[in-house]
Amino acid sequence: DAGVTQSPTHLIKTRGQQVTLRCSPISGHKSVSWYQQVLGQGPQFIFQYYEKEERGRGNFPDRFSARQFPNYSSELNVNALLLGDSALYLCASSLWDPLANYGYTFGSGTRLTVV
Amino acid sequence: AQTVTQSQPEMSVQEAETVTLSCTYDTSESDYYLFWYKQPPSRQMILVIRQEAYKQQNATENRFSVNFQKAAKSFSLKISDSQLGDAAMYFCAYRGYNTDKLIFGTGTRLQVFP
Repeated sequence: DAGVTQSPTHLIKTRGQQVTLRCSPISGHKSVSWYQQVLGQGPQFIFQYYEKEERGRGNFPDRFSARQFPNYSSELNVNALLLGDSALYLCASSLWDPLANYGYTFGSGTRLTVV
Repeated sequence: AQTVTQSQPEMSVQEAETVTLSCTYDTSESDYYLFWYKQPPSRQMILVIRQEAYKQQNATENRFSVNFQKAAKSFSLKISDSQLGDAAMYFCAYRGYNTDKLIFGTGTRLQVFP
């Protein structure tokens, strides 16, 4: 079975540009979450999407947006890039059953560098 | 708001020895889930072990075990018979009962020496 796939693996953008990151979840997983991991820190929650609806949002500015498609894949968009947006962006998929202790499967991330 | 604290930025252990990584958390919830994740240089987060807060019994997965102290809000990871492949960043994480959001600590870098 394919794991969570993210594309691209690396990306270099200039300040002020816009970027789109992509994530394909594990087959059968309907929840996709996005995390930002700045160098030397733990991942920070950005968004959760379940059944194409936003179910959770972290403390990130409106420059960050996301969506989920009917096949449960997801895109994360960041507008007006700042140097501080340089980070590893991780995608995680899950079954999201609030009553169960389910697991998450993470992708290998997209390394975004803003210059 | 919930927080997760890992007070050991770096730890080291010799092969075949045992090491314990510390994690404390703060929450007002009574039901929640706790996790330890491993992140090798390949960057992918790999689940090591997980614990339900309502279970008193400590979780165990082969060489990995936890010491879960709910009253103290402590969740440490013990790695027995350490192997070179255990070298990685280890993150402690918290999830509330009715959310998909994981809250991570800052991580502990584990080095394993032959």
